Amino acid sequence: GENVEQHPSTLSVQEGDSAVIKCTYSDSASNYFPWYKQELGKRPQLIIDIRSNVGEKKDQRIAVTLNKTAKHFSLHITETQPEDSAVYFCAVPKTLNSGYSTLTFGKGTMLLVSP
Amino acid sequence: DAEITQSPRHKITETGRQVTLACHQTWNHNNMFWYRQDLGHGLRLIHYSYGVQDTNKGEVSDGYSVSRSNTEDLPLTLESAASSQTSVYFCASSEAGVPTRNPSEAFFGQGTRLTVV
Repeated sequence: GENVEQHPSTLSVQEGDSAVIKCTYSDSASNYFPWYKQELGKRPQLIIDIRSNVGEKKDQRIAVTLNKTAKHFSLHITETQPEDSAVYFCAVPKTLNSGYSTLTFGKGTMLLVSP
Repeated sequence: DAEITQSPRHKITETGRQVTLACHQTWNHNNMFWYRQDLGHGLRLIHYSYGVQDTNKGEVSDGYSVSRSNTEDLPLTLESAASSQTSVYFCASSEAGVPTRNPSEAFFGQGTRLTVV
């Protein structure tokens, strides 16, 4: 099955610094790479995703880069703010024999942004 | 607005009891999922369904069951609750990933914190 490794498990930065979280995966046929943000006590919510026909996607202060050859993708947050403090999850689709797919999640990265 | 809701939000039960967690979505999504979230393990898939009368086991399905009698609901049942099932449970739904390899955004419920004592 799909194996997803996410690093680091915790990340502490000062406000204004950049943060980078990386995920590696095993299925070279994977074609969809979302990132979810989960604030304390809340539900996970999609913040950005990328499909395998592009190498980078940006949305204001967040961006995702994809390296299909090396089978890894990364979340970049620039000019971090205290409200960016949360747990971030990457996910990779696992395609089933039925043709449908489920999402396999990384174990999460707790990002702490200090004022 | 469409949404996905879980109930109860918090539940304390005793070992050995049967417990059912409810999940209801108004997105009209065919796909529904149950995950459990534990520190150090992230989100792990328990069961999933791709439509009415369809149910499938995920990676941590032992001790759990689901049923799908309509599009909106996917209740999760713990047959005989164990302390190892103390966790936060999330239900999620998404649009059908058809054709093959066309997954889409998963929308999560607010979660249910279950404590088995």
